[in-house]
Amino acid sequence: DTGVSQDPRHKITKRGQNVTFRCDPISEHNRLYWYRQTLGQGPEFLTYFQNEAQLEKSRLLSDRFSAERPKGSFSTLEIQRTEQGDSAMYLCASSLVSVETQYFGPGTRLLVL
Amino acid sequence: KNQVEQSPQSLIILEGKNCTLQCNYTVSPFSNLRWYKQDTGRGPVSLTIMTFSENTKSNGRYTATLDADTKQSSLHITASQLSDSASYICVVSAGDMRFGAGTRLTVKP
Repeated sequence: DTGVSQDPRHKITKRGQNVTFRCDPISEHNRLYWYRQTLGQGPEFLTYFQNEAQLEKSRLLSDRFSAERPKGSFSTLEIQRTEQGDSAMYLCASSLVSVETQYFGPGTRLLVL
Repeated sequence: KNQVEQSPQSLIILEGKNCTLQCNYTVSPFSNLRWYKQDTGRGPVSLTIMTFSENTKSNGRYTATLDADTKQSSLHITASQLSDSASYICVVSAGDMRFGAGTRLTVKP
């Protein structure tokens, strides 16, 4: 069990650029979640997948954000035309449908200049 | 208003001392309540999970309590260590997960 991994761990980009993050969940986990966390706050839910289906999206997920999980394994989160307000830690978590405990990855810290 | 409120916002204690972190929630009904530990720059790690019918759950030096009547939970840390320095996040599950803002604990030698 290698745990949840995320790539990259850090990303610095200029405003207006597009960025893409990857999450590899624990292999047998069928649920995958994306969260955003700003300094001093708890994670905020963005979206989650069960297998390849995206079942819920938060209203925090603007049109510039898109997430995919094409084969029900890894997932990508893309942010288009980044804004300074997008600077945050983006966390991925996975779980089994039958067991609610979510296992978090180390996160991708994004800084938009 | 956040449905999961944690206090204090931050706490500094000396190594070896005990401390208690509080979590008040308004989410109802809920299926379970979790405490997570989050080291700086890392993802949260689950410490304890309690269903609404459980009153207490221990994990080593960490003991969580739950009072579903008053909608309060606490996390007690015994004999603190420097490695306990982290943010502790209370999470209430009610279909989705509702996160508190966390308590930032600093343990000093």
